[in-house]
Amino acid sequence: GAGVSQTPSNKVTEKGKYVELRCDPISGHTALYWYRQSLGQGPEFLIYFQGTGAADDSGLPNDRFFAVRPEGSVSTLKIQRTERGDSAVYLCASSLFAQTQTEAFFGQGTRLTVV
Amino acid sequence: AQSVTQLDSQVPVFEEAPVELRCNYSSSVSVYLFWYVQYPNQGLQLLLKYLSGSTLVKGINGFEAEFNKSQTSFHLRKPSVHISDTAEYFCAVMREENNDMRFGAGTRLTVKP
Repeated sequence: GAGVSQTPSNKVTEKGKYVELRCDPISGHTALYWYRQSLGQGPEFLIYFQGTGAADDSGLPNDRFFAVRPEGSVSTLKIQRTERGDSAVYLCASSLFAQTQTEAFFGQGTRLTVV
Repeated sequence: AQSVTQLDSQVPVFEEAPVELRCNYSSSVSVYLFWYVQYPNQGLQLLLKYLSGSTLVKGINGFEAEFNKSQTSFHLRKPSVHISDTAEYFCAVMREENNDMRFGAGTRLTVKP
């Protein structure tokens, strides 16, 4: 596709349930990022992939959060036993790892609401 | 990891006045620098970026930023703002070696008539 696609755009789930958020990066982009943005805050880093591997997952808040990118393209952010504090907009971005074209392109985000 | 500090959480300014949004960063390795803008209920858009070369970079909508390596700053400026510039502005730093990118907490620019 032309841009970064995130699905679903909105997700409402009950406390304690499991959710999966999907990110389709721009074709050919090797770097993929997940951020979380709460109201009035900046994007908070969660995890960053180069290819299939997680280059840095230090931003994942606890072991309820996990992300995969098995084929180096689509990524899924998984949240187990959701809590109300997990409510936020989850942003995905991708970039081409090339010095002259370095720029991260963002999706529209998935708004997660835990009730 | 690298980090970003945006010194002002909110900047109110009157229309046609100049504005400067401040950004300082910390990193032990070489970095690229970015400013993104987020209009109400919209996604993040790139405003401008510094990769190398001239330290003064120009972006969209009349914005510019200056990279100052000695002060580890990348302040955003516009000589005359419009009502339509009202938005949240985010400074970001990316490690050159691997594209790992982190954001500041944001500055809310409110342009008043």
